[in-house]
Amino acid sequence: GAVVSQHPSWVICKSGTSVKIECRSLDFQATTMFWYRQFPKQSLMLMATSNEGSKATYEQGVEKDKFLINHASLTLSTLTVTSAHPEDSSFYICSAPPGGGGTDTQYFGPGTRLTVL
Amino acid sequence: AQKITQTQPGMFVQEKEAVTLDCTYDTSDQSYGLFWYKQPSSGEMIFLIYQGSYDEQNATEGRYSLNFQKARKSANLVISASQLGDSAMYFCAMREGRQYSGGYQKVTFGTGTKLQVIP
Repeated sequence: GAVVSQHPSWVICKSGTSVKIECRSLDFQATTMFWYRQFPKQSLMLMATSNEGSKATYEQGVEKDKFLINHASLTLSTLTVTSAHPEDSSFYICSAPPGGGGTDTQYFGPGTRLTVL
Repeated sequence: AQKITQTQPGMFVQEKEAVTLDCTYDTSDQSYGLFWYKQPSSGEMIFLIYQGSYDEQNATEGRYSLNFQKARKSANLVISASQLGDSAMYFCAMREGRQYSGGYQKVTFGTGTKLQVIP
């Protein structure tokens, strides 16, 4: 199946710093990628839809100035958590459907565990 | 209102037995897709099975089958011959609206069911 990677797999940072998380589709092009956040023992909550060549679409309640998304190419989307605070500590996971339409399957990255001290 | 409801926070099953994980959904769209994902303790989301709203036959993938009852708006996952490696969180998810070339509709997840397989 298609492969999606994320980097880093885990990160610990100080409060007030910014953290960048990368999501890459390794063997297919992805015009769209999705960013989710998952708190412990909870479900995945969609944060935003990342679109190559255009602005990301954010879900209600997600601060676009705090969670910056850049879909730089057909294989890379980045999520930057700006001025991170302890409440931003979570598991961030991206997904990407293989391009070309006709398929519903979304492949997920392995996730990034962010801990803000 | 919840779009995806998983009423079983936790389930136990004996190894080699079959188990059914419940999922009901709510949508007014005629075209939609239903998914099941497995999330082991490592955190990765593993795609298991997909059912389209217009698919007349229940989807099957190896030991996984999806019991799709459209009128009841249920999409239960059946795992046959459970294995110890099946112990994980299982999420039901739905994509509303028609998929179209070059664009993708977002997917909504249920709260998950933690399955534990007992030796």
